[in-house]
Amino acid sequence: DTGVSQDPRHKITKRGQNVTFRCDPISEHNRLYWYRQTLGQGPEFLTYFQNEAQLEKSRLLSDRFSAERPKGSFSTLEIQRTEQGDSAMYLCASRQGGIQVEAFFGQGTRLTVV
Amino acid sequence: DQQVKQNSPSLSVQEGRISILNCDYTNSMFDYFLWYKKYPAEGPTFLISISSIKDKNEDGRFTVFLNKSAKHLSLHIVPSQPGDSAVYFCAASANFGNEKLTFGTGTRLTIIP
Repeated sequence: DTGVSQDPRHKITKRGQNVTFRCDPISEHNRLYWYRQTLGQGPEFLTYFQNEAQLEKSRLLSDRFSAERPKGSFSTLEIQRTEQGDSAMYLCASRQGGIQVEAFFGQGTRLTVV
Repeated sequence: DQQVKQNSPSLSVQEGRISILNCDYTNSMFDYFLWYKKYPAEGPTFLISISSIKDKNEDGRFTVFLNKSAKHLSLHIVPSQPGDSAVYFCAASANFGNEKLTFGTGTRLTIIP
């Protein structure tokens, strides 16, 4: 399978704990995006990378959130001191840079903060 | 500020009939539009796209229409099949898709056998 892969699929954590999610994009894609989706809403943009450079961050991304893409391949999204409001589906997408090119999404990581 | 709006949270259509899903946008910088389909507990799956230089794009049973002056697009599915039951998201991007996607809130389509 050469699609976008996310790990873990589900994560339950206690409030205040740190969590880290991983995304493996489609191998030839140089752009990688993180989105967050809550119930009844569409995915909301968090941040994106072109190769290893983080080019844009949403104001939704508080100081507790950090993302990396160290070698321009896989990416990690870390949430420190989780809060109940962080409970959501975290989606990763990748695409090749260029115009009129669609993004492909992974299956997401469902985070539940208790 | 909801820049992409899908005003119908749900839609039910008889199998074999046409399904029409609507989407409105407010940001004039958007010039590339996509439809994604989402099943529960899965990520969105790309369906079809259209750029602002066109007013129609067709792919099999799926056709997307773009009315730039009205800032409105629609997805037509004909004939509708039970496997089409899912949540459909409209998304928009600037710079012909080179910018991040802004999504609507989705429309849940149910195809009645």
